[in-house]
Amino acid sequence: AQSVTQLDSQVPVFEEAPVELRCNYSSSVSVYLFWYVQYPNQGLQLLLKYLSGSTLVKGINGFEAEFNKSQTSFHLRKPSVHISDTAEYFCAVRNTNAGKSTFGDGTTLTVKP
Amino acid sequence: EAEVAQSPRYKITEKSQAVAFWCDPISGHATLYWYRQILGQGPELLVQFQDESVVDDSQLPKDRFSAERLKGVDSTLKIQPAELGDSAMYLCASSQQENEQFFGPGTRLTVL
Repeated sequence: AQSVTQLDSQVPVFEEAPVELRCNYSSSVSVYLFWYVQYPNQGLQLLLKYLSGSTLVKGINGFEAEFNKSQTSFHLRKPSVHISDTAEYFCAVRNTNAGKSTFGDGTTLTVKP
Repeated sequence: EAEVAQSPRYKITEKSQAVAFWCDPISGHATLYWYRQILGQGPELLVQFQDESVVDDSQLPKDRFSAERLKGVDSTLKIQPAELGDSAMYLCASSQQENEQFFGPGTRLTVL
């Protein structure tokens, strides 16, 4: 079985400030890791993914995440946020041998002017 | 750019009624997923298809939910009868490779 814990349900931040959204996971097998963004009443859009190789992954919209195997974490970061980054962010893990993804409960990022 | 299509976008129904949602995956994607997302939570997998075959429906409430993908392309998810607790966003996703899923815009279901 696998699980995902997003440590912060809500993160308020001022525009142009840096932000980190935290994600921890547990799994007994190797996993792929993902971050998705969801705007109100829309589906999920992939921000970035870790499959293998370099532990620092760069995604769209200036986001990046770092895979830390020893701490079983995959935290999402952005050095300077914009108002348009206000959305719900989901961390997900997927067993490398199966198609099913397990999602965290999400972090609401609110960027204030 | 190819997208996953879903309809309707919004559905309001009364409890005990039947509802159906439709999903058209990205052309060529063999794997199709239906997720349920309750407000304030992450998506939860209901059913996964590989072509026309069900791969995983362990979390599908089979007494009232059914899903089919008869020709291995588009898919329908049905609820009969709907209950108040079924109010949620129903998301469809498809993938060609094992590692990346593409999501549709979802169907927001409200059961009164």
